[in-house]
Amino acid sequence: DGGITQSPKYLFRKEGQNVTLSCEQNLNHDAMYWYRQDPGQGLRLIYYSQIVNDFQKGDIAEGYSVSREKKESFPLTVTSAQKNPTAFYLCASSIAKGPYNEQFFGPGTRLTVL
Amino acid sequence: KQEVTQIPAALSVPEGENLVLNCSFTDSAIYNLQWFRQDPGKGLTSLLLIQSSQREQTSGRLNASLDKSSGRSTLYIAASQPGDSATYLCAGVNYGGSQGNLIFGKGTKLSVKP
Repeated sequence: DGGITQSPKYLFRKEGQNVTLSCEQNLNHDAMYWYRQDPGQGLRLIYYSQIVNDFQKGDIAEGYSVSREKKESFPLTVTSAQKNPTAFYLCASSIAKGPYNEQFFGPGTRLTVL
Repeated sequence: KQEVTQIPAALSVPEGENLVLNCSFTDSAIYNLQWFRQDPGKGLTSLLLIQSSQREQTSGRLNASLDKSSGRSTLYIAASQPGDSATYLCAGVNYGGSQGNLIFGKGTKLSVKP
């Protein structure tokens, strides 16, 4: 089955720790995205990547980092510099970046700071 | 800056009713628009994508339309069922700004009572 997987489903972080969220897709999509969702809020874009070894900041990139070493993988690291990281994190992909292309989403990772 | 408003924020209807969810954009220059469904604690499922050359899309009991002159979209759900209970999100890409990124509304939470 083609799709997007995210792991873990739930993640707990202590103050001052960095944590990495995994996102993998087997749709052969070039573009991948990370969003953050807070209760009662719309999704906000953290980072996106149009192609391997390239990525761009979204609206709320501070305190986050990403890498894109393989087409199918786009991990997100939440660093200790992110002051309020508790949220639901969603990864998405599209065949290419741009307004023409439908985005498909993974099941999400819920991150809680203890 | 593009903002997306979804009305109503929550809606409760008896099974079998036809219903309309609304989405409006402050910048009416919408290039394309996607409607998503989100079940509690889950990722987003793409329902319909209306591209720049289209005015509406239909899938089963769902019909979405886009009025570019006003920057408004509606999602029509016919003969609602309890399984339709979820949060419905709209997201659009507008010309020029936002670098071709999706801008999301906060969603409408739908409850269909048996």
